[in-house]
Formats: sequence, C-alpha cells, structure tokens
Amino acid sequence: ETGVTQSPTHLIKTRGQQVTLRCSSQSGHNTVSWYQQALGQGPQFIFQYYREEENGRGNFPPRFSGLQFPNYSSELNVNALELDDSALYLCASSLRARNTDTQYFGPGTRLTVL
Amino acid sequence: SQQGEEDPQALSIQEGENATMNCSYKTSINNLQWYRQNSGRGLVHLILIRSNEREKHSGRLRVTLDTSKKSSSLLITASRAADTASYFCATPYSGGGADGLTFGKGTHLIIQP
Repeated sequence: ETGVTQSPTHLIKTRGQQVTLRCSSQSGHNTVSWYQQALGQGPQFIFQYYREEENGRGNFPPRFSGLQFPNYSSELNVNALELDDSALYLCASSLRARNTDTQYFGPGTRLTVL
Repeated sequence: SQQGEEDPQALSIQEGENATMNCSYKTSINNLQWYRQNSGRGLVHLILIRSNEREKHSGRLRVTLDTSKKSSSLLITASRAADTASYFCATPYSGGGADGLTFGKGTHLIIQP
C-alpha cells in the first residue's frame, strides 16, 4: 500500500508571491483534505476534495484554493502570500465510501514566507 | 476555531510509567480520534472511538469517551522513549458539509530514559 506523499518538503517564498503544494493520495483513497499547522498549534482544516470537487471548507480566505485530479492527487494553491502563512501544510487522504473519519497524513510541506 | 483542547499541554515522565492525557470538546460528536505527531512531521492515526463506545483498547493504548462530559482520555501504559511525541485529539469538523477534522493544540509528551 502506497502512503501519502507531499512535495516539496520545504519551501521559502516572499510576501505577495504564489505557491503550489502537491499531494499524492494513499492508494485506493478518493478524498483529500488539507490542513495548516502553525508552530505550536494543532492542524487547522483548510478544505477537502472528493471526486474533484471541494467538499467543505474551513475558515480560510479564497486565496487558498485547491484542485483534485482524476488520479485523486491534489494541489493546494495559496496566492498573495502573507507572513502568517508560514506553517507546515499537511495533506491527508481517506476513503469516503467506508464512512470512516480516519485520515492518513503525509509528512507535510514546511512553508516559510519572508 | 479549535473544537478539542488537550490537557496537559506538556507532560514529562520516566520510561516505564503510564502517561494520561485528556481532551475536552464543545459540540456533539459521532466519534473522536487520537493522533500522534513526531517532531513536526505528519500525523499518525492511533485510535478512533465512536460515540456509543465508552472505552477502547489498542496495544498499550486505552481511550475512554464520556459524551456527557464531552471529554476523552488517552492512556499510554509502560511508556517507551519512542512514545515521545505530540498527541492530538480530533473530532469531525463542525462546519456544514465537510468531512475534515478539528484538532486541539496537543499534549507534548516527553519520555525520559
């Protein structure tokens, strides 16, 4: 069984730039969720994608957007980066058909905004 | 906003001792999960307990759920150095239509050899 992978591992951007983070789901999973984890905090739910459509969103502005592809991989895009966007971004996949809330996390992408 | 809040924020014990951490949440849930995170990396799912369950075991882990008090506890028995990590409780995201999770700030557990 292939686990969840994310790329890149680390990324440094400057304020105002745009960034794209990538995630490959665990084999057989059809749902992807993205989380933002600031230093010393728990992960915060950004949004979730199921069947290539956004399936729900947390309290994040529209400059956070995403995509899910037919192979269930996903992208997180953040426009007009702000200093507070510096965080660990986690992707998690799950199989919605099983009606389970268990999510399988990738190792994360550490984003630093200067 | 964070639904679950773990207590204590940090816990340091000797190897071999038991570690107990607690989680409180605000709204009704149908399940609660515990995750572990090592050194700011990805989270690992430990255990899920459903609202109709009061206690669940998995290896050295024991989880309890009290829906009347909106609280849960995670007990790790016979702790090992490898158990050093941050532990988070997670509940279903309370926003409409989403299947995401809401996490607390976590308990940072240090096992001293």
